[in-house]
Amino acid sequence: GDSVTQMEGPVTLSEEAFLTINCTYTATGYPSLFWYVQYPGEGLQLLLKATKADDKGSNKGFEATYRKETTSFHLEKGSVQVSDSAVYFCALSAAAQKLVFGQGTRLTINP
Amino acid sequence: ETGVTQTPRHLVMGMTNKKSLKCEQHLGHNAMYWYKQSAKKPLELMFVYNFKEQTENNSVPSRFSPECPNSSHLFLHLHTLQPEDSALYLCASSHPGLEQETQYFGPGTRLLVL
Repeated sequence: GDSVTQMEGPVTLSEEAFLTINCTYTATGYPSLFWYVQYPGEGLQLLLKATKADDKGSNKGFEATYRKETTSFHLEKGSVQVSDSAVYFCALSAAAQKLVFGQGTRLTINP
Repeated sequence: ETGVTQTPRHLVMGMTNKKSLKCEQHLGHNAMYWYKQSAKKPLELMFVYNFKEQTENNSVPSRFSPECPNSSHLFLHLHTLQPEDSALYLCASSHPGLEQETQYFGPGTRLLVL
């Protein structure tokens, strides 16, 4: 079945460091891919998405590129801030209304 | 973000209690969802409603009873829960046919069953 695998956390970085959170997927067909973010005590917020191969999603300085050949959708940010501390979820939608989530990666940014 | 609201934000209940969770979306969407988020487990889809009709029940125990009176409101009625049902319950909505796959989430209700 469809699945999403994220790098295990927690990830701890210093402010202004470069961030990469790896995400790979297994799916039949051509899924849409998403990154959601969950700040402490809150629900999930859509961070960015890509709907076809080679698309790049971007928002708030975060980027991810849909790589069909490597079945990956890695999340990157050039310079993280303390306010980026949260749990990040990679997800795919291979069928209508069927979101499959990864297990989440907790990110902590130290000043 | 106030597109999807949930009440209450926190709930403590005993195993013999009956309570309800409420979700309201202000985005004009026609699909609504309930998810369960437990510690150290991926998000689990529980129910899906399209145009007020239930279209998905992901093998959820009958002690969870959803209700969708209209496309903007979704309830989850709880009765005789177990301690393992303690979790964050998230509501989401989407617009079939327009950004069909993008779901927007509420802040969640954190439930503790004693």
